[in-house]
Amino acid sequence: GESVGLHLPTLSVQEGDNSIINCAYSNSASDYFIWYKQESGKGPQFIIDIRSNMDKRQGQRVTVLLNKTVKHLSLQIAATQPGDSAVYFCAEAYFGNEKLTFGTGTRLTIIP
Amino acid sequence: DTAVSQTPKYLVTQMGNDKSIKCEQNLGHDTMYWYKQDSKKFLKIMFSYNNKELIINETVPNRFSPKSPDKAHLNLHINSLELGDSAVYFCASSQARGSGELFFGEGSRLTVL
Repeated sequence: GESVGLHLPTLSVQEGDNSIINCAYSNSASDYFIWYKQESGKGPQFIIDIRSNMDKRQGQRVTVLLNKTVKHLSLQIAATQPGDSAVYFCAEAYFGNEKLTFGTGTRLTIIP
Repeated sequence: DTAVSQTPKYLVTQMGNDKSIKCEQNLGHDTMYWYKQDSKKFLKIMFSYNNKELIINETVPNRFSPKSPDKAHLNLHINSLELGDSAVYFCASSQARGSGELFFGEGSRLTVL
């Protein structure tokens, strides 16, 4: 079946450096993508989203890039801080489908 | 003033028992969800309600029964608990159906012995 997956299950980054978390999706009908952050012991928290009519969207210290040609999206976090340590999920949806399909998650660890 | 609150936070019970998890949101949202997160952190939707009406019912055993008495509450009752039901259950809400911005509760960790 269709799936949303991540290239790397874990990622360690030095504090202050930039990090990039990647996500591959296989459903070509997907037109809406979202990144969530889940800190230990908490529920996932919305970070940023992007629709398929865009290829880049920026937030505060975060940028999401979407490459529809290769069905890939990434989350870039600039100047990482200890509080960025968490599991990051990408999720996808498509018009007319009520539900989000979550990827398997990448654990990001910020090294002080 | 927690936005999405669920109780209890921890549940430890024996196989075969029945248990309930309650969820309430004070955001005025129309849509609520139950998600299950397994030990590998995989998040899967179970149910979704919009204004008390069931709109998503994934292939979940009928031992799981959601109930939405009003649009601010979505409870989950589980009958005849099995070992495989051990997981963290998350309640979430969104302003409208089809929204990608979900607000999650802190989770209820269920352990079936």
